[in-house]
Amino acid sequence: KNQVEQSPQSLIILEGKNCTLQCNYTVSPFSNLRWYKQDTGRGPVSLTIMTFSENTKSNGRYTATLDADTKQSSLHITASQLSDSASYICVVSPNQAGTALIFGKGTTLSVSS
Amino acid sequence: NAGVTQTPKFRILKIGQSMTLQCTQDMNHNYMYWYRQDPGMGLKLIYYSVGAGITDKGEVPNGYNVSRSTTEDFPLRLELAAPSQTSVYFCASSYSGLLEAFFGQGTRLTVV
Repeated sequence: KNQVEQSPQSLIILEGKNCTLQCNYTVSPFSNLRWYKQDTGRGPVSLTIMTFSENTKSNGRYTATLDADTKQSSLHITASQLSDSASYICVVSPNQAGTALIFGKGTTLSVSS
Repeated sequence: NAGVTQTPKFRILKIGQSMTLQCTQDMNHNYMYWYRQDPGMGLKLIYYSVGAGITDKGEVPNGYNVSRSTTEDFPLRLELAAPSQTSVYFCASSYSGLLEAFFGQGTRLTVV
């Protein structure tokens, strides 16, 4: 069964610290993997999209990695800010049409001062 | 540039009532999607469209209908609302299936 599992479920860190969120997937075939940030009460916002051949992709303080062999991805947040408090969702697409996205349940990150 | 706009933001329906969730995008995107997000769960695809006049079912289409008469608009129709349809609904659009999807702010629907 196609699944996307994220860990941890929730995380609390101090402002300025770094953190890494994990995503394991069993989706096959594989087209691309996406990370989204979802603020409370808002729609998800895209952070990165990586295809099979990409190992790393950055978007400001966000860096995503992908190991397609082990079917694992991580999202590293550097020098966290209060505004990073949100749910981070890992999404895997099994096709190029983008019409069968498999969403993880998300990791809820809380950044405190 | 408004992006993806959904209306209404909140709605309470009684069991058996009908309603239409509106979605419009101004980015000239071909692809549009409707998702639902239940508490503690990942988003599930209800319906999608790859262009005007073309729609198809997603993972959880039962109880819903859609139409796509223009590139901009993709309304979602709920007939005979049921408590199981209590959820947050998100509309999204993308230029293609390989590119990032832009999401609306969501519609929080409660069926009582």
